[in-house]
Amino acid sequence: KNEVEQSPQNLTAQEGEFITINCSYSVGISALHWLQQHPGGGIVSLFMLSSGKKKHGRLIATINIQEKHSSLHITASHPRDSAVYICAAASNTGNQFYFGTGTSLTVIP
Amino acid sequence: NAGVTQTPKFQVLKTGQSMTLQCAQDMNHEYMSWYRQDPGMGLRLIHYSVGAGITDQGEVPNGYNVSRSTTEDFPLRLLSAAPSQTSVYFCASSPTLGGANSYEQYFGPGTRLTVT
Repeated sequence: KNEVEQSPQNLTAQEGEFITINCSYSVGISALHWLQQHPGGGIVSLFMLSSGKKKHGRLIATINIQEKHSSLHITASHPRDSAVYICAAASNTGNQFYFGTGTSLTVIP
Repeated sequence: NAGVTQTPKFQVLKTGQSMTLQCAQDMNHEYMSWYRQDPGMGLRLIHYSVGAGITDQGEVPNGYNVSRSTTEDFPLRLLSAAPSQTSVYFCASSPTLGGANSYEQYFGPGTRLTVT
């Protein structure tokens, strides 16, 4: 069973397009995290949110607790945004995260 | 701060060999964890620790041992390497990760392990 589901798995966009990546989860959470992983690179945390919306530059993350759904938006996408974006749910009952399988984003100039 | 460091970056083992992947953090974080990342499967938790002297199993602990003698270090030992353990391994830390609280996790750069 997958506690966290992401869509789409792969996404190709033209530079400048608005991008949305979706995440649904089935566990009770204390927070929902969005992570970024560049090819061959490490993993960095983009957002941690438990309600509402957060914005950092061109990235926006939203969460709907009732619907157990979160979205990551990228406005005015750029080739440097090309990476794998991972959704992770921090369980509110135990000491672990549940990870989605990631969305591979390619932004074409 | 160096953050979370991992060594080695790359390793090739033969089946049956043992080795230790090193992980260290200098942020005084209580929670440390080891994940493996395989294509199409996402990150999976191997073992975790909520403080020095305390470790517990995650989702895929078989074939791996851990110990936490200090707050800073959390080594992962492969007892007898198998081809199924070919993967990329990430160590992560955070101030805590318990129950109602959640904090950002800091990841190491990863170790790419191949077992032949």
